[in-house]
Amino acid sequence: GAGVSQSPSNKVTEKGKDVELRCDPISGHTALYWYRQSLGQGLEFLIYFQGNSAPDKSGLPSDRFSAERTGGSVSTLTIQRTQQEDSAVYLCASSPRQVAYGYTFGSGTRLTVV
Amino acid sequence: GENVEQHPSTLSVQEGDSAVIKCTYSDSASNYFPWYKQELGKGPQLIIDIRSNVGEKKDQRIAVTLNKTAKHFSLHITETQPEDSAVYFCAAFLYSSASKIIFGSGTRLSIRP
Repeated sequence: GAGVSQSPSNKVTEKGKDVELRCDPISGHTALYWYRQSLGQGLEFLIYFQGNSAPDKSGLPSDRFSAERTGGSVSTLTIQRTQQEDSAVYLCASSPRQVAYGYTFGSGTRLTVV
Repeated sequence: GENVEQHPSTLSVQEGDSAVIKCTYSDSASNYFPWYKQELGKGPQLIIDIRSNVGEKKDQRIAVTLNKTAKHFSLHITETQPEDSAVYFCAAFLYSSASKIIFGSGTRLSIRP
């Protein structure tokens, strides 16, 4: 596609439920990143995928968070047993090469845990 | 690892005046410094970047300066317009490594009419 696509754009879930957030990167981009942005805050790194290499999971805040990337393209971020502090905008970005030159971000998924 | 500090957190300027946002970084090996603009309800968009082999780069009303010795870089917006109102993020990165960009905490810029 023309840009990074994220779905859903908005998600409201009850505390304790699991949620899945989807990211479709730009075709041909080998690197994919997930960031979290809490209200009025900066961009918190979560996880990074590069080709077939093992992902960099160093930013995942707890074992309730996981992500996968199938076929080097679409990625899914899963949050299990959601908590109110998980409420945030989850942003996905992709870049065309191994290095982060020219990140392109999606519009994000706004997650609200009630 | 890299740490990026950004100031100020909020900035209000009169339309037509200039705005300056400053960032410092901790890893002297960093060699790529992008700036992103985030409008309400949208993801951040790259507006300008600079590599460590140059000290300044301009693109119309936007310029970025880099001082490698002091490990700080700045975004300058001249002749500000209402559409410049947004949140701006600086970032630092080691270009040659397979890693992620570390962002500053953001500056909310408001342009007063």
